[in-house]
Amino acid sequence: KAGVTQTPRYLIKTRGQQVTLSCSPISGHRSVSWYQQTPGQGLQFLFEYFSETQRNKGNFPGRFSGRQFSNSRSEMNVSTLELGDSALYLCASSLQGQFAGNTIYFGEGSWLTVV
Amino acid sequence: DQQVKQNSPSLSVQEGRISILNCDYTNSMFDYFLWYKKYPAEGPTFLISISSIKDKNEDGRFTVFLNKSAKHLSLHIVPSQPGDSAVYFCAALRSNDYKLSFGAGTTVTVRA
Repeated sequence: KAGVTQTPRYLIKTRGQQVTLSCSPISGHRSVSWYQQTPGQGLQFLFEYFSETQRNKGNFPGRFSGRQFSNSRSEMNVSTLELGDSALYLCASSLQGQFAGNTIYFGEGSWLTVV
Repeated sequence: DQQVKQNSPSLSVQEGRISILNCDYTNSMFDYFLWYKKYPAEGPTFLISISSIKDKNEDGRFTVFLNKSAKHLSLHIVPSQPGDSAVYFCAALRSNDYKLSFGAGTTVTVRA
């Protein structure tokens, strides 16, 4: 079956701009989570959506926002980009969001560089 | 606040020997623990997990040990193979929560 698809894979933005990243979960999966990975910081949880509702949110400023559509596809938006937002943004998909380890699937990520 | 810590950023091991990766956590509410493997330019892939009601889980060459009293878990890879060279992340979560807390990762290099 098709995996988690994230677009775009690579992008470069300028400070102050905004960016929108997209994630298409595995067919049938209703939970989508977003994570930010920076060197030395591991993966930091951004937020999780289930059936178009945000169920949990990490400790990121309000510049980071997301949404989920009725087809479970999700987008995350970062406004007023800062240099420190340069990172790999990963999307994870699961059936219900009740993790059982091997039911979480990650996309390949979107590499964002802010210059 | 980093609730999951991997204090060794890197590990080098000879092919055929054992790799031991360590992970500590601070949140006693965590009740499920996972290990992920990540190659450059790819998303993390699930390796093995363990529930807090167990102290050991084994899957092929991978074994995870959990010491709840010490809030410590470890991943053993035996024998190590060149294809095991990757970044390994430890993660934890609470039941009915919807987020994984990850450690910073340990880069494993398996030498031929």
